[in-house]
Amino acid sequence: GAVVSQHPSWVICKSGTSVKIECRSLDFQATTMFWYRQFPKQSLMLMATSNEGSKATYEQGVEKDKFLINHASLTLSTLTVTSAHPEDSSFYICSAPQYRVLAMRYTFGSGTRLTVV
Amino acid sequence: AQKITQTQPGMFVQEKEAVTLDCTYDTSDPSYGLFWYKQPSSGEMIFLIYQGSYDQQNATEGRYSLNFQKARKSANLVISASQLGDSAMYFCAMRLTGANSKLTFGKGITLSVRP
Repeated sequence: GAVVSQHPSWVICKSGTSVKIECRSLDFQATTMFWYRQFPKQSLMLMATSNEGSKATYEQGVEKDKFLINHASLTLSTLTVTSAHPEDSSFYICSAPQYRVLAMRYTFGSGTRLTVV
Repeated sequence: AQKITQTQPGMFVQEKEAVTLDCTYDTSDPSYGLFWYKQPSSGEMIFLIYQGSYDQQNATEGRYSLNFQKARKSANLVISASQLGDSAMYFCAMRLTGANSKLTFGKGITLSVRP
């Protein structure tokens, strides 16, 4: 089946530094990638939608200068958390839609736990 | 705007018994899809079952079935013969038709299976 490989699975960084999270589609072309953020025991909140070769679309309230999203190829989308602060500590997960005849499916990465100290 | 509602508090079920997780939705779009995902403590999102708004029959996938009541706008997940490994958080989600259509998630339900 379709796989989205997400790295790193966890990262600890110092306040003020930047962290890059990668999502790669291994056996299909991901023209679109959704990026979610999840706090403990809460739901997934969509941060932004990236499309290959174009600028990402950010949800209301998401700082586009803090959360830089790049979708440079059909198999790679990246999220960079710039000048990270402790409040950015969260679980970040990507998801790529796959168009099928009867129904759309979404393949999720395994997630990245970010801790900013 | 579309909305997914999961209002149950944490759910408990005895091993081998069946359990129903509630989900209601709201949309004015006649074409939509409903999903259930399981998220164990590891964080991965595991697809369980899908129901399309035009599907005539309720979806089933092994021990999972979806009780789809379109007029009531509800899409409850039924897990039969619960197993200890079913302990996790469960999310109901909805997709509207259209290119690059995103998923909207409910707030989730924590299910704990007791031995």
